Amino acid sequence: IVLTQSPATLSLSPGERATLSCRASQTVTTYLAWYQQKPGQAPRLLIYDTSKRATGIPARFSGSGSGTDFTLTISSLEPEDFAVYYCHQRSNWPTFGQGTRLDIK
Amino acid sequence: QVQLVQSGPEVKKPGSSVKVSCQASGGTFNNYGFSWVRQAPGQGLEWMGGIFPIFGSVFYAQNFQGRVTISADESTSTAYMELRSLRSDDAAVYYCARERGDLGAFDIWGQGTLVSVSS
Repeated sequence: IVLTQSPATLSLSPGERATLSCRASQTVTTYLAWYQQKPGQAPRLLIYDTSKRATGIPARFSGSGSGTDFTLTISSLEPEDFAVYYCHQRSNWPTFGQGTRLDIK
Repeated sequence: QVQLVQSGPEVKKPGSSVKVSCQASGGTFNNYGFSWVRQAPGQGLEWMGGIFPIFGSVFYAQNFQGRVTISADESTSTAYMELRSLRSDDAAVYYCARERGDLGAFDIWGQGTLVSVSS
């Protein structure tokens, strides 16, 4: 399953709302996750099973979607949220999207 | 607190092999899967394969079939990834990641191991 994320880069200001998209080439029947990665760090799990927040993840992060279209929303950006975000599916062999870079405007 | 601690950076010549280790501490090793994910400079994440020690099952991504071997030593709670016939485009950071079956996601990641390939 190929995951395509959009946009490639998103430039926003702190306090704004961010909406990141992940589209799958086939239906994702189970297990769509989102990760955050900052420079020089390993990815960090944010969302699993489409909409469930991982341990310690703030409530401003939310996930939604079904089938082939999924969304990660950050309701009000904090300075530490500017990073690269990846979606990931586990319906069959694991694959990742190519990432969305969230930049400070 | 569960941690995955990976072995240190490697510098290899084209055509050689590299073996990276990933030791789990603070948790039960056999209850989880462990995958290897690599990231070339400035690029995204690429799943290479994974192992489920409790089932003795190993899976490889098609791109790496025949060139990678993933194994685990339950006695030391360590997973390994060996990549052979290294090319310049294998230069990357290699991560191990723990997979929880109930989450269907990689909940804990190692710190990454930088593998450089140069003649």
